Amino acid sequence: GQNIDQPTEMTATEGAIVQINCTYQTSGFNGLFWYQQHAGEAPTFLSYNVLDGLEEKGRFSSFLSRSKGYSYLLLKELQMKDSASYLCAVRDKAAGNKLTFGGGTRVLVKP
Amino acid sequence: DVKVTQSSRYLVKRTGEKVFLECVQDMDHENMFWYRQDPGLGLRLIYFSYDVKMKEKGDIPEGYSVSREKKERFSLILESASTNQTSMYLCASSLTSGSTDTQYFGPGTRLTVL
Repeated sequence: GQNIDQPTEMTATEGAIVQINCTYQTSGFNGLFWYQQHAGEAPTFLSYNVLDGLEEKGRFSSFLSRSKGYSYLLLKELQMKDSASYLCAVRDKAAGNKLTFGGGTRVLVKP
Repeated sequence: DVKVTQSSRYLVKRTGEKVFLECVQDMDHENMFWYRQDPGLGLRLIYFSYDVKMKEKGDIPEGYSVSREKKERFSLILESASTNQTSMYLCASSLTSGSTDTQYFGPGTRLTVL
């Protein structure tokens, strides 16, 4: 089976930086996704990592270390609209390439 | 833009009723998925389908069935709804099962079973 852990909740100030960690255990790692989900809405795709290193997309960056089973999502220059849940999901070859999701991290941005 | 739509945003049903949740995608995606989302448990996969008339059990299929008669439509069926099936149900689709393929989600159906 798979185990994906991420913090339940984080609070940060507008303009600041927040780092959301995700650790996972999987037998056939085949990619890691980050999704953003605003309350009452559908998850929307943010980033994808399959090789080690940092992927940058504007204010959002995602990092992966396969040897450590670890990823983080970095949100820079936080805006009030970034208040949302952030979902880490891992794809596993051994499970037919299905996605397994962590419980999500709710980020609250305060003025 | 990929569009995934679900038949209802909110649904209230009684215990024992048969419930149909419909999902339609308009981008000719091969793969479709049904998840439920509960606080603290994240998204859990119920069923998925890689092709028309094809279905595979996910992690929590008990109490559910699915139907995929057409490529664009994937239905989730609760044969006899129970209170523990009160949840947010999310449908998703992806182009293929390739490792880079992103799943696109519908807006969700919040089902309450009384």
